[in-house]
Amino acid sequence: AQSVTQLGSHVSVSEGALVLLRCNYSSSVPPYLFWYVQYPNQGLQLLLKYTSAATLVKGINGFEAEFKKSETSFHLTKPSAHMSDAAEYFCAVSTSTGRRALTFGSGTRLQVQP
Amino acid sequence: DAGVTQSPTHLIKTRGQQVTLRCSPKSGHDTVSWYQQALGQGPQFIFQYYEEEERQRGNFPDRFSGHQFPNYSSELNVNALLLGDSALYLCASSLTPDTQYFGPGTRLTVL
Repeated sequence: AQSVTQLGSHVSVSEGALVLLRCNYSSSVPPYLFWYVQYPNQGLQLLLKYTSAATLVKGINGFEAEFKKSETSFHLTKPSAHMSDAAEYFCAVSTSTGRRALTFGSGTRLQVQP
Repeated sequence: DAGVTQSPTHLIKTRGQQVTLRCSPKSGHDTVSWYQQALGQGPQFIFQYYEEEERQRGNFPDRFSGHQFPNYSSELNVNALLLGDSALYLCASSLTPDTQYFGPGTRLTVL
């Protein structure tokens, strides 16, 4: 079985500041890791994914994440926050043994202050 | 290229009723997964369909059932609705069990 823990249900940053959203996972087999973003009253949009290739993954809208096996982490970062980044962010894990069914964290709401 | 589409957008039902939600996958995708997202929570996996069969199921009761058609579209049926079934229901499609792409969801309210 796998699980995801997202530290911090709410994160607030100033426009132009670094964004860091934390995700730790638990998996008994090699994981696939994902970050999705959800804007109000919308579905989930894939930001980036790790599928056992490069450990530093670049995604859309300037986001990136680094897979650290020793720390079982997959934190999401963006060097400079923009007002349009305000949304809910979900980290998710899946495995090849589970037909890639996603297990999600509880989400982190990102606020960007002007 | 049309992405994943879902219908209806919103739905209001009363306790005890039955509901059917529909999903059309992204072009070229053959696998459909359904998730339930309660307010303020992350999505939870309900089940996955591939080749018109349920291939994997999450921790949901038998009141939740589904179907996949030859054109890969899918339906989610929920019987004997409870207040706790109120949620956003998300459909995701993929090419075989691979990266999943989500639709906009159907907001179900049970009164």
